[in-house]
Amino acid sequence: AQSVTQLDSHVSVSEGTPVLLRCNYSSSYSPSLFWYVQHPNKGLQLLLKYTSAATLVKGINGFEAEFKKSETSFHLTKPSAHMSDAAEYFCVVSEASGTASKLTFGTGTRLQVTL
Amino acid sequence: GAVVSQHPSRVICKSGTSVKIECRSLDFQATTMFWYRQFPKQSLMLMATSNEGSKATYEQGVEKDKFLINHASLTLSTLTVTSAHPEDSSFYICSASGRQNIQYFGAGTRLSVL
Repeated sequence: AQSVTQLDSHVSVSEGTPVLLRCNYSSSYSPSLFWYVQHPNKGLQLLLKYTSAATLVKGINGFEAEFKKSETSFHLTKPSAHMSDAAEYFCVVSEASGTASKLTFGTGTRLQVTL
Repeated sequence: GAVVSQHPSRVICKSGTSVKIECRSLDFQATTMFWYRQFPKQSLMLMATSNEGSKATYEQGVEKDKFLINHASLTLSTLTVTSAHPEDSSFYICSASGRQNIQYFGAGTRLSVL
């Protein structure tokens, strides 16, 4: 069985400072890992994905995440937060196969960006 | 990038009526579509998985007779909430997956049952 733990339910940063959203996963197989962002009353937008290629994954809007197998982590970072980054972020794990696989979502981290 | 359209974005209905939500993949063929439910300030819970031309697979605890899913083509899936009641009020989100095995999400439908 696979699972995801997002260690912080709420993170607050000042605009222009770094962002760190933490995620640990558990999977019986070689997982695919994703970060999605959800703005209020909106669907989910894919930020980035890891699928067993490079361990440092670059995504959209300046976000990146590093897959660390030894720590079973996939933390999301951004060097400098913008006000527009305020949203809910979900870490997601999938036991990828040739066909579409079920996603298991973390409980989400709400990012607040202050002036 | 891949675009998934979900309609309507918001619906208000009376208790006992049925509501249909559409999910369309606009620029790719979706071999698999997923339906999720999201309660306020909570994560997404998978309700069912549907493959084009076959019956949907429902997650444990999801009533298949209440949440009817049809995936008649590679670009369209529908979720019908039958005889809706206030406890069915929620945010419903669909996703579609093509050959790359990545799920692209619709913008969601907020259902309010009075």
